[in-house]
Amino acid sequence: EVQLVESGGGLVQPGGSLRLSCAASEFAFSSYAMAWVRQAPGKGLQWVSSITSTGSSTFYADSVKGRFTISRDNAKNSLYLQMNSLTSDDTAMYYCVKGYGSGSWGQGTLVIVSS
Amino acid sequence: QAVLTQPSSLSASPGASASLTCTLRSGINVAMYTVYWFQQKPGSPPHFLLKYKSDSDNQQGSGVPSRFSGSKDFSANAGILYISGLQSEDEADYHCMIWHSNTWVFGGGTKLTVL
Repeated sequence: EVQLVESGGGLVQPGGSLRLSCAASEFAFSSYAMAWVRQAPGKGLQWVSSITSTGSSTFYADSVKGRFTISRDNAKNSLYLQMNSLTSDDTAMYYCVKGYGSGSWGQGTLVIVSS
Repeated sequence: QAVLTQPSSLSASPGASASLTCTLRSGINVAMYTVYWFQQKPGSPPHFLLKYKSDSDNQQGSGVPSRFSGSKDFSANAGILYISGLQSEDEADYHCMIWHSNTWVFGGGTKLTVL
C-alpha cells in the first residue's frame, strides 16, 4: 500500500520559513510526479505546487510563486516544500499527493503562521 | 468568477440518489476537461473517487463502489458526480478538480448530508 508521510509542520511567525518533507514508500517514487495541496481550516482544497518525476519541471500557484520551492530527492524517496516569507494566509494542512490527481494522499502536516 | 463552482451543501435520504455538480466558468468548456472527484471525511485527507472525461475515458478509484459514477451536463457546462443508493457512510465533503493551464484547480467543495 502506498505510504506518504508528511513532516515539518508547526507554528511559525509571520515572515518565517519552514521546510516540509514527504517520505514516500511502497511505490516507484522516481516514476511519478508529485504535488503539494493545502487546506486552510474549514476551507476547500488549494493546489500549491507540482514537480515532474525527474524534478526537471516545477509548477506553482500564483499565491506562492517566488516564496515556495518544491523539490525532490529520488534517491531518498522524498518530496520537499521550502516555504519562505510565510503569512497567515499560508496557515493550512499541507498534503503530499502522488501523481496527477488520481493518486494517494498523505495524512498531512499542519502549518500555523501566527505571532 | 471562480473557475469551478460547487454548491456548498446538499442533503439526501438514505437509499436515494444524489447528483453533485461542478460547474465550469463560462469560456471553459467542460467537454475538453477531465473532471476529478474526491471524497473527504472529517479529520481525514481527501480520497480519490474517480475521474471522468467521457464514457470511454474515465477511471474509478481503487476500491470505490460502482454506486459512484461520473458524467457531464454539457448544457450546464458541468461535471457531475452521481451517487446511487446513498448510505450514511457517504456523508462527507466532495471536491471536484480539473487541470487548467498547468495547474490543478479545485471547486469549493460540497458537504453532502445523508439523513
